[in-house]
Amino acid sequence: GQNIDQPTEMTATEGAIVQINCTYQTSGFNGLFWYQQHAGEAPTFLSYNVLDGLEEKGRFSSFLSRSKGYSYLLLKELQMKDSASYLCAVFVGGNNRKLIWGLGTSLAVNP
Amino acid sequence: EAQVTQNPRYLITVTGKKLTVTCSQNMNHEYMSWYRQDPGLGLRQIYYSMNVEVTDKGDVPEGYKVSRKEKRNFPLILESPSPNQTSLYFCASSRRKDEQFFGPGTRLTVL
Repeated sequence: GQNIDQPTEMTATEGAIVQINCTYQTSGFNGLFWYQQHAGEAPTFLSYNVLDGLEEKGRFSSFLSRSKGYSYLLLKELQMKDSASYLCAVFVGGNNRKLIWGLGTSLAVNP
Repeated sequence: EAQVTQNPRYLITVTGKKLTVTCSQNMNHEYMSWYRQDPGLGLRQIYYSMNVEVTDKGDVPEGYKVSRKEKRNFPLILESPSPNQTSLYFCASSRRKDEQFFGPGTRLTVL
């Protein structure tokens, strides 16, 4: 089967660091995406990992371990505007370019 | 500006009244997809299209139709909407292995 697990909710304080974990069990793997989605809005792309290791992009970093079926998104210097849902998605590839989506982690940043 | 547009953004309709949600992208992407997003169920793919005149079912295609007569447009058709199709709908497009760009969403209510 295809399965992606993320925590449902997390809370953090403005200025702090938070790590959102994602574990996956899929029939194939051609990369892992992280998207940010504010309430009622469209998901927007944050990062893409296809090889093991850490990808850094400003305040956001994403890590992948293919052998462990594990990824995390690290958000530094949290701001109030980072309050959103964070979606993990695995690209399993194939002719249909299938993406398997997690249910998302709702992050609340408090002052 | 590179974008995916959807219309209408909000729609309230009644059971059985045929409707079409339009989707257009200006990035010359081959791949387009329709999702619905419901609380607790996450993003679920309805239909996708690999290119002009090439469409296929996603995970929840029942009650929906699509067409891809031009590369830029990918309308979603509900021939006889029912209340269980009340949802937030997103159109998305991408090149081969790249991130998906999402439209702003269409919030549909079927009474």
